[in-house]
Amino acid sequence: DIVMTQTPLSLSVTPGQPASISCKSSQSLLERDGKTYLYWYLQKPGQPPHLLIYEVSNRFSGVPDRFSGSGSGTDFTLKISRVEAEDVGVYYCKQSTQHPKTFGQGTKLEIK
Amino acid sequence: EVQVVESGGGLVQPGGSLRLSCAASGFSFSTCWMTWVRQAPGKGLEWVGNINQDGSDTNYVDSVKGRFIISRDNGKNSVFLQMNSLTAEDTAVYYCVRDFRYFDCWGQGTLVTVSS
Repeated sequence: DIVMTQTPLSLSVTPGQPASISCKSSQSLLERDGKTYLYWYLQKPGQPPHLLIYEVSNRFSGVPDRFSGSGSGTDFTLKISRVEAEDVGVYYCKQSTQHPKTFGQGTKLEIK
Repeated sequence: EVQVVESGGGLVQPGGSLRLSCAASGFSFSTCWMTWVRQAPGKGLEWVGNINQDGSDTNYVDSVKGRFIISRDNGKNSVFLQMNSLTAEDTAVYYCVRDFRYFDCWGQGTLVTVSS
């Protein structure tokens, strides 16, 4: 199974400041079709998760442009350029390159 | 509106069985893979398994293989999770999710509690 490791597991950010979350996979997520099936989700308190980023760097519909994803192979990063109060919650990376699909442990973002 | 709604959760004794249902609407259900994801209380997300468009292919996480079965009824726009031989470790909120490799539509989840 592919293990997804996120760091940090928690972070506290002042509104307006940037934030960055790392996600490393135990195997390359590059598939033979040339795509990398790495995704980012946010689970706000009391809600199901929702999709932020698909295939490493593509913002899903309606996701603000302060969110960006980057990376390749086994190393990936989610960045928030200027954190807002509504960004609180737990962020998860997930791979869909191989079954079983696996999530990172989650990174809890709090506002200072 | 694209949505999925889970039902069927509840309290079950260890060793017991439960069948979860997920009703989909607002999209072409028969063309989509569907997935179940669970979240134990206060814990992270765990992919449980998925099913392809016509139900001929299913995949499961090792911890549920041989105990859980995912099926679907495209005529009723529904997907099901039959859970057998339940243990306390299966206690979780179970989410039904539309699966395009990315998970873009999640239900609100249904809570399964395994306890005596």
